[in-house]
Amino acid sequence: DAGVTQSPTHLIKTRGQQVTLRCSPKSGHDTVSWYQQALGQGPQFIFQYYEEEERQRGNFPDRFSGHQFPNYSSELNVNALLLGDSALYLCASSLSSYNRNYGYTFGSGTRLTVV
Amino acid sequence: QKEVEQNSGPLSVPEGAIASLNCTYSDRGSQSFFWYRQYSGKSPELIMSIYSNGDKEDGRFTAQLNKASQYVSLLIRDSQPSDSATYLCAVNAFMDTGRRALTFGSGTRLQVQP
Repeated sequence: DAGVTQSPTHLIKTRGQQVTLRCSPKSGHDTVSWYQQALGQGPQFIFQYYEEEERQRGNFPDRFSGHQFPNYSSELNVNALLLGDSALYLCASSLSSYNRNYGYTFGSGTRLTVV
Repeated sequence: QKEVEQNSGPLSVPEGAIASLNCTYSDRGSQSFFWYRQYSGKSPELIMSIYSNGDKEDGRFTAQLNKASQYVSLLIRDSQPSDSATYLCAVNAFMDTGRRALTFGSGTRLQVQP
């Protein structure tokens, strides 16, 4: 049973460029959340996708956008990259629930370096 | 802004000792609480979940929850050098949309000395 798959694993981009990160959720999961984790910090919530729509968003600018496909996979797009966008980007999948949450499963992450 | 607070550490304990990690949260409506372990350069790994007040034990790990005090803790018995990692407390808090999302603390770095 495949877990959460993210690609690419590492990426180096130049300031001002655009980047797309990809995520395939764990089998049976329908909700994808994206997190940014800077060095020495906890993961910060970017947004969450369910039924192909952005359901909620953390405190991130509009430069961060996403998409969810009918097969539940997801993309994170970041435009006009800044040096401060350098971080580990984590995708987490879960089963939608308005009640108890049984935890998120994380992918191995994409390490983005902006130079 | 729903917050989760942890002491960043490092918390240093000798091998075989009990490590105690603590976390407080601000959203009284939170229903689900998690502890993740994260090794350097790796992604978080779920080690414990707890939903009701009291203790929950799983092997060498015990999670404790006190909703009245908005406090959750993790005890690691018989600590091993392989337990050296950052431990992230996460709370599944309601967002404005009525759906939940995991909010993480900044993590506590644990060092187990051989």
